[in-house]
Amino acid sequence: NAGVTQTPKFRVLKTGQSMTLLCAQDMNHEYMYWYRQDPGMGLRLIHYSVGEGTTAKGEVPDGYNVSRLKKQNFLLGLESAAPSQTSVYFCASSSPFWTSKDPINEKLFFGSGTQLSVL
Amino acid sequence: GQQVMQIPQYQHVQEGEDFTTYCNSSTTLSNIQWYKQRPGGHPVFLIQLVKSGEVKKQKRLTFQFGEAKKNSSLHITATQTTDVGTYFCRVRNSGNTPLVFGKGTRLSVIA
Repeated sequence: NAGVTQTPKFRVLKTGQSMTLLCAQDMNHEYMYWYRQDPGMGLRLIHYSVGEGTTAKGEVPDGYNVSRLKKQNFLLGLESAAPSQTSVYFCASSSPFWTSKDPINEKLFFGSGTQLSVL
Repeated sequence: GQQVMQIPQYQHVQEGEDFTTYCNSSTTLSNIQWYKQRPGGHPVFLIQLVKSGEVKKQKRLTFQFGEAKKNSSLHITATQTTDVGTYFCRVRNSGNTPLVFGKGTRLSVIA
């Protein structure tokens, strides 16, 4: 099993360029997430999806768009890259199941990350 | 929004010393997770705690969920160089709101 695969692993962009990060998971997980990680800031949620065809905003969604056309794929787009978007991006997936009150078993599986530099 | 504070931000220990990181919330949590990220790597799930006062152990790691479900700790006994990395908590208040990560505690172990 490959688990969660992110492409590309590294990318350098010029300000104003666009790009798409691809995340693919082969675990049939319902939920998928995009995080960014900056020094001292931990992992911040950009967007997430709770199922095919659905997306929702996380903590820091501005400047990013996402699509989940297929259950196994979650794409993160930058339409006009800015230096502030220089970061390490992680994709993750999970398949929580729910009790009558709260979701449990929300273990996240992460991809290996994408180092993005915007000059 | 949901606030979670993780302390300390950094910890340097001699190999063999103990280490503890804390995750504190101003609101009651429905569950808490802990992750470890090695330098240059990606976060890896360690454990999830759900019940008030819950204590779970994994070899030299002890995880505890407070009685009020507002805080949690991760304790490592007799640290080893393999424990180096950043430890994150991830929490949810309740319901359908997305979980959020603490900012992490970076552990350095001096051999």
